[in-house]
This record gives sequence, C-alpha cells and structure tokens, in this order.
Amino acid sequence: DTGVSQDPRHKITKRGQNVTFRCDPISEHNRLYWYRQTLGQGPEFLTYFQNEAQLEKSRLLSDRFSAERPKGSFSTLEIQRTEQGDSAMYLCASSLEGRTEAFFGQGTRLTVV
Amino acid sequence: AQTVTQSQPEMSVQEAETVTLSCTYDTSESDYYLFWYKQPPSRQMILVIRQEAYKQQNATENRFSVNFQKAAKSFSLKISDSQLGDAAMYFCAYRSGSEKLVFGKGTKLTVNP
Repeated sequence: DTGVSQDPRHKITKRGQNVTFRCDPISEHNRLYWYRQTLGQGPEFLTYFQNEAQLEKSRLLSDRFSAERPKGSFSTLEIQRTEQGDSAMYLCASSLEGRTEAFFGQGTRLTVV
Repeated sequence: AQTVTQSQPEMSVQEAETVTLSCTYDTSESDYYLFWYKQPPSRQMILVIRQEAYKQQNATENRFSVNFQKAAKSFSLKISDSQLGDAAMYFCAYRSGSEKLVFGKGTKLTVNP
C-alpha cells in the first residue's frame, strides 16, 4: 500500500470554473477526511466520511463545495464557480475506525487566477 | 470551540542540539487527544507523536518527547539531538469526541548544520 493518494497534485483554474479533486485512501481505512490549508495557516477541517456516509461538514464548506464517497472507497471534492479565495492546498486524510492516527496525502494545490 | 495556539512562528536549532516547540489549547472537554504533526516542504504531513489526555505519563518516540501539562492546557514538543531531516513545519493538533482535528498555525523549524 502506497498510502493516501491525491490527484491532481496541482491545479490552476480560471475564476468561475469548476474543479474536482480525487482522494484514494489507504485501502482498509473506512474514514476519510478533507482539510483545507491556506498559506501560513494550519489545516482546517472541511468534512469527513465514514464509509460512504458524510457524517460532518464544516461551516467552511459553502454551497459551492460538494464531497462524495460513493462506494466507501475513493472520494471526490468538487468546487463550483471557483473564486480567488478558494486558492489553497486541499488535503485528504484517512484512518481506521477506532484508531486515532490519521494518514495524510500530499495534497492538491489549487490556484484560482 | 476548541482552539490550538502555537506562539512560535519560527524556531531554529543547531544540529545535535535540543529544541522545544510550544503549544497551548483551549477546551472544556476532559477526554481528548493531542498530536504533533510534521510537514516537510512539498511532502505529506506525518504524525510525530500523540498523547491521550487521560494518561499522565508523557509520550516519547525516540528523539521526540512531549511535556503535557493538562491543568495548564500545554503540550510542548522536545526534539533531542536535532537532525537536518527534522527541518519542517510542525503542527500541534487536538481531537476530542468529534473526528476532526483542530490544528495550530504551525512552527517552522530550521536546523542549522
């Protein structure tokens, strides 16, 4: 197992466009998390899934953001009508239920121009 | 709401010396976990060390140890025999009943040869 994988690693998009990121967790992990990290800040929680159920969403996750984990394996995070303020690193993490350690991917860096 | 504060935006240490990174947190919970994560440049975040709040004994992982002061809500990280590979951003994080991690803003550690 190669760990948590995120794709793409970098994305540059024009303001107003839609973007979608993918996260593949560690295979046996049933919990999956999305975080956003802006320059000079620590990661901020966006949402998390247990299997295919989305159990918690942050107020940071506006209506333009949607996340899915349709079969309880990989997850996608879509941002519609991107704004410059969406520019950030989007981190995915996974963990096994009952275990405290979350494993992070390398992130997708989004730049909105 | 829980908050995590790292008061040292940057720290530096000479190779082979010891450095301590500070972290304080605010919570009304009695049962929680505390973590230190390391984020090297352009690489994924990895867990350095964790502490369960109910344990009085400070956690230790090789050259890394913590000073957990529950009453003071303080959780500092000590790195002994610093190595060049220790250079990274270090994030203190908190987790209670919710699955989400709450991170501080981070401390950038530079190791001088």
